[in-house]
Amino acid sequence: ETGVTQTPRHLVMGMTNKKSLKCEQHLGHNAMYWYKQSAKKPLELMFVYNFKEQTENNSVPSRFSPECPNSSHLFLHLHTLQPEDSALYLCASSGTGVVLSTEAFFGQGTRLTVV
Amino acid sequence: AQSVAQPEDQVNVAEGNPLTVKCTYSVSGNPYLFWYVQYPNRGLQFLLKYITGDNLVKGSYGFEAEFNKSQTSFHLKKPSALVSDSALYFCAVRDRQAGANNLFFGTGTRLTVIP
Repeated sequence: ETGVTQTPRHLVMGMTNKKSLKCEQHLGHNAMYWYKQSAKKPLELMFVYNFKEQTENNSVPSRFSPECPNSSHLFLHLHTLQPEDSALYLCASSGTGVVLSTEAFFGQGTRLTVV
Repeated sequence: AQSVAQPEDQVNVAEGNPLTVKCTYSVSGNPYLFWYVQYPNRGLQFLLKYITGDNLVKGSYGFEAEFNKSQTSFHLKKPSALVSDSALYFCAVRDRQAGANNLFFGTGTRLTVIP
């Protein structure tokens, strides 16, 4: 266990559904990330939050909507997804500020299938 | 801009032989460099990191990596491969002068250790 927990582990949703992915960490980290991992593609950084503030949005379509209510929780709200959005979605957390050198800790991911 | 290149999609090595997984990087400032491993249906697990100091970094499970500034490389090595080392390996970089937490990954290299 890395200390980062993602739920659900697996999700199948239709293109008209709305669902949310949840990530939780109690490592005292102030930075949290969403990554998308598709087959044969680089790990794509989607969103970064520092101290609950979004600092990065790498041209992610608006059908993905992140929410960070506090430093320990991160959500990814999904609506009207496309089949090509099927992937493994990974959450990570790390230190910030003077501890930029710290490694990121990853959750086990949510395997999302859009049908 | 930060980027990471892992030139080999696949590396095969016989059990007991030394292994090398290659990584080169590009950052505008000085890098923090990381290696992660991913087993099937799991998130990424941290292996080792280079922050400063000795260019040879030792990490988990007998892995090590050498930071080479002139060649902008950070190759992962192990003197004697085990079948259990078979997994997907990711190199990652963070620009310590960028002031942000963005952590960028390469495309990954699948290591197969043949018994």
